[in-house]
Amino acid sequence: EAGVTQFPSHSVIEKGQTVTLRCDPISGHDNLYWYRRVMGKEIKFLLHFVKESKQDESGMPNNRFLAERTGGTYSTLKVQPAELEDSGVYFCASSLGLAAYEQYFGPGTRLTVT
Amino acid sequence: SQQGEEDPQALSIQEGENATMNCSYKTSINNLQWYRQNSGRGLVHLILIRSNEREKHSGRLRVTLDTSKKSSSLLITASRAADTASYFCATVAGNTPLVFGKGTRLSVIA
Repeated sequence: EAGVTQFPSHSVIEKGQTVTLRCDPISGHDNLYWYRRVMGKEIKFLLHFVKESKQDESGMPNNRFLAERTGGTYSTLKVQPAELEDSGVYFCASSLGLAAYEQYFGPGTRLTVT
Repeated sequence: SQQGEEDPQALSIQEGENATMNCSYKTSINNLQWYRQNSGRGLVHLILIRSNEREKHSGRLRVTLDTSKKSSSLLITASRAADTASYFCATVAGNTPLVFGKGTRLSVIA
């Protein structure tokens, strides 16, 4: 069974540009989560989808971040315009049940904003 | 915030030794989970311990949970070079998302 996949693995963009990250969850997992780890800091929750609906987006830092999950399958996270402080590793995870259950993480996308 | 805090931040041991990492948190939880991240890779779920459990084993891993002290420990016995990674604890309360600590960087020297 394929695990959670993320694309790209690494993205380097200039401040002010736009970047879109993609996450493909494990097939059949209704729950999809985005997290990010800024250099040297803890991994922080961004948002949670249940199928195509945003269940919790309390961790989204500001309106430069837009997440979508059309059709309840893969998800995208767009950063527009990117700022230097957006640099970090963005993780996606999926699970069958809610957060109390095991989440399966993807390899992450390392975003570098210069 | 019920942020988990791992201790120590970094740990270096010889292959074959045991490694112990600790995690403290602030509020009541449903469960606590430990994850591992190898350099450049994603997070791998290691073990989940529920709030009504005190100890759990999985292979060379032993996790304890003390809800009265709001702390957990992860013990890796007979460590191997392949255990070199960052280890994170994450807590869950209700249906809230995982709350991670900053992690412990473990280096196992062959």
